[in-house]
Amino acid sequence: AIRMTQSPSSFSASTGDRVTITCRASQGISSYLAWYQQKPGKAPKLLIYAASTLQSGVPSRFSGSGSGTDFTLTISCLQSEDFATYYCQQYYSYPPWTFGQGTKVEIK
Amino acid sequence: QVQLVESGGGVVQPGGSLRLSCAASGFTFSSYGMHWVRQAPGKGLEWVAFIRYDGSNKYYADSVKGRFTISRDNSKNTLYLQMNSLRAEDTAVYYCAKDPATAMFFDYWGQGTLVTVSS
Repeated sequence: AIRMTQSPSSFSASTGDRVTITCRASQGISSYLAWYQQKPGKAPKLLIYAASTLQSGVPSRFSGSGSGTDFTLTISCLQSEDFATYYCQQYYSYPPWTFGQGTKVEIK
Repeated sequence: QVQLVESGGGVVQPGGSLRLSCAASGFTFSSYGMHWVRQAPGKGLEWVAFIRYDGSNKYYADSVKGRFTISRDNSKNTLYLQMNSLRAEDTAVYYCAKDPATAMFFDYWGQGTLVTVSS
């Protein structure tokens, strides 16, 4: 199974900050990567797929980049509603479909 | 709009069984693959099972293989997860999720249903 590793596991940031979350795959996955946002008590929400394609309705302050083994999710100007946990997920090789362990973005 | 509504969760003793359902609406259910994904309390996301749009292919996580069965009834727009021989480590919120095509990512999720395995 392909292992997905996110960094950092958590961090604090302020509204207006530019933040970057990293996701590394244990082997090359081309651009078969998705990012999700999850708020407490809610289902995950798809933000980005194919490493850099924004899902319909997702604000443009979210962006994704990378291919192969290294990927990033960037929030250009953090808003209050963006404090949440973010997960990456690979769909290059399955089963299993695998997720990163999550990155929690907290208010500083 | 796409809606996925899970039901069937609850408290069950170790070794017991439970069947989860996921009622789908707002899209042509019979045209899309579907997944179950779970999340143990305070933990991350774990993919559980996948079924192709026509039910012809099914995949399972090693942790549930031989105990869980995914199925679908396209005439009822409903996805199922039959869970047998339940263990404490199966305690989680179970989400059904729609695949945008076949074997890709999860573009829509239900609200989840909690399964607690405890004596």
